[in-house]
Amino acid sequence: DGGITQSPKYLFRKEGQNVTLSCEQNLNHDAMYWYRQDPGQGLRLIYYSQIVNDFQKGDIAEGYSVSREKKESFPLTVTSAQKNPTAFYLCASSMDRAGTYEQYFGPGTRLTVT
Amino acid sequence: KNQVEQSPQSLIILEGKNCTLQCNYTVSPFSNLRWYKQDTGRGPVSLTIMTFSENTKSNGRYTATLDADTKQSSLHITASQLSDSASYICVVITFSGNTPLVFGKGTRLSVIA
Repeated sequence: DGGITQSPKYLFRKEGQNVTLSCEQNLNHDAMYWYRQDPGQGLRLIYYSQIVNDFQKGDIAEGYSVSREKKESFPLTVTSAQKNPTAFYLCASSMDRAGTYEQYFGPGTRLTVT
Repeated sequence: KNQVEQSPQSLIILEGKNCTLQCNYTVSPFSNLRWYKQDTGRGPVSLTIMTFSENTKSNGRYTATLDADTKQSSLHITASQLSDSASYICVVITFSGNTPLVFGKGTRLSVIA
């Protein structure tokens, strides 16, 4: 899991509520990412950020929002607009976004919405 | 379309046996290929990173091969242990696009006593 922490490990919410997942890294990495993992599927990119105060949509950004106010932190908010939010969410970081350098993953947060 | 296909989807082997996992890709242009191990409920951990010019790379009991001509890679696990039970994910990195990392769906390996 390297120097990336995600909290909480398990999260339960009622449908219609927004929820924020935490991701912190102490690796001094510029790039940070959020992925969603569903059973039987590969990781899918939600959002990524290359530098502070900048972020870009990934393949499945609808219903999610992020912020990058500090280099170390990249929280993900799952909004009520996300139609199927129950999933395993993984945060990752790397020295750059181009894929040149190793990407380190956090331990993940399992979100259950009922 | 950039894709990474892994086979088999799942595999059960006896402790001590060897196994080989396959990864075929159509990603272009190719930068490098990575194998990750993901324990249940945990984040993926890197096993190997292979560039275009590398054919084989080992990490302990794990040996990855790459054939850039046929766009195939394999991960061979020798003398399997119960702790090898996990999902193994093949990731191909491309130079282009907004999402340079293309993930396979993984192979679920179960090692039983």
